[in-house]
Amino acid sequence: DGGITQSPKYLFRKEGQNVTLSCEQNLNHDAMYWYRQDPGQGLRLIYYSQIVNDFQKGDIAEGYSVSREKKESFPLTVTSAQKNPTAFYLCASSRQGSSNSGANVLTFGAGSRLTVL
Amino acid sequence: AQSVTQLDSHVSVSEGTPVLLRCNYSSSYSPSLFWYVQHPNKGLQLLLKYTSAATLVKGINGFEAEFKKSETSFHLTKPSAHMSDAAEYFCVVSAGGYNKLIFGAGTRLAVHP
Repeated sequence: DGGITQSPKYLFRKEGQNVTLSCEQNLNHDAMYWYRQDPGQGLRLIYYSQIVNDFQKGDIAEGYSVSREKKESFPLTVTSAQKNPTAFYLCASSRQGSSNSGANVLTFGAGSRLTVL
Repeated sequence: AQSVTQLDSHVSVSEGTPVLLRCNYSSSYSPSLFWYVQHPNKGLQLLLKYTSAATLVKGINGFEAEFKKSETSFHLTKPSAHMSDAAEYFCVVSAGGYNKLIFGAGTRLAVHP
């Protein structure tokens, strides 16, 4: 079945360490996204990518970095510069095109929960 | 500018009674509107979407929502709650581009026996 796989599901990090969250999709979607979820705040966009080798900052990109070397993969690195990294991180993907074609319908992974010790 | 407000952070209902989750939006464009559901420690799943076709939208699991432009609302309803409906629900507005999704803060639905 097609879908999005995020790993690890749970991750613990010491302060000052960088960590990388994996996101892989087999939906043949062009666009991929990373969101951060905190209690009571909904989802906030960190980075998004419309095509391979291209990505743009979202609303809260500071302290994060991404790469898009393959269509299927969009890993997120949480750097030591992110001052409050404890959160639930969600990866999503969508098709390209107009809203009527369903391009703005997101398919989500199951998420990765990062805790800073 | 686009925004979305979910009017209740928590809703509690008894099994078999109706569900109403309220959402108001603000948009300078003709919006697309969505409801997503999230079960604990899971990703989000699309319940339904409105994209300027019929104003009453039917989704999965018996949910539906009505787009009311005059009231700038897109409330989610279900005639009879089931225990499995207990989850968090997000109202989302999209206007102009697929990366311009604005998520509401979420409504946590509790269903009691």
